[in-house]
Amino acid sequence: SQKIEQNSEALNIQEGKTATLTCNYTNYSPAYLQWYRQDPGRGPVFLLLIRENEKEKRKERLKVTFDTTLKQSLFHITASQPADSATYLCALAGANNLFFGTGTRLTVIP
Amino acid sequence: GAVVSQHPSRVICKSGTSVKIECRSLDFQATTMFWYRQFPKQSLMLMATSNEGSKATYEQGVEKDKFLINHASLTLSTLTVTSAHPEDSSFYICSAAEGYQETQYFGPGTRLLVL
Repeated sequence: SQKIEQNSEALNIQEGKTATLTCNYTNYSPAYLQWYRQDPGRGPVFLLLIRENEKEKRKERLKVTFDTTLKQSLFHITASQPADSATYLCALAGANNLFFGTGTRLTVIP
Repeated sequence: GAVVSQHPSRVICKSGTSVKIECRSLDFQATTMFWYRQFPKQSLMLMATSNEGSKATYEQGVEKDKFLINHASLTLSTLTVTSAHPEDSSFYICSAAEGYQETQYFGPGTRLLVL
């Protein structure tokens, strides 16, 4: 079965720096991959979708890359702010559903 | 943007009782709705997928007779936890997708505590 790993459970960075989160997967070749943000006690919020034929996708301060050879996606937040502190989840497309990673809890320190 | 609501946001019940959780898409028609559960510091685990007017498809290991799902309309799906036990205590989250859109819009979740 597919396995999804997000590099670390928690990541602390200084305000203004770029945060880089990693999502690795095995035993699978998803047609697309998504990134979500989840705040404590809340449901996930969709951020970005990147397809297998796309190398990079940007949205404001967010950037996602997708390397199907390495089976890896990187999620970058540039000029990070304390308000970016949250758990970020990657999700791989299944036939009719999504498979989620365990998430990385990002803390941006003022 | 697409908004999904859940009700109630939290519920405390006695062991053996049944609890119903509602999931509504407020400004779009949800062809497909998904139900997840999430334990502390763990990822979302898909429980079942439901399409309007048809029976839900349950993931392996999820008891369909215990977690009853009804998707009666394009804007409403319900999850009923029957004969709840303390081990059913969890965070239940629904999501909805419009047509064949790949993006899922999530509700705010329901915190269930079974005493």
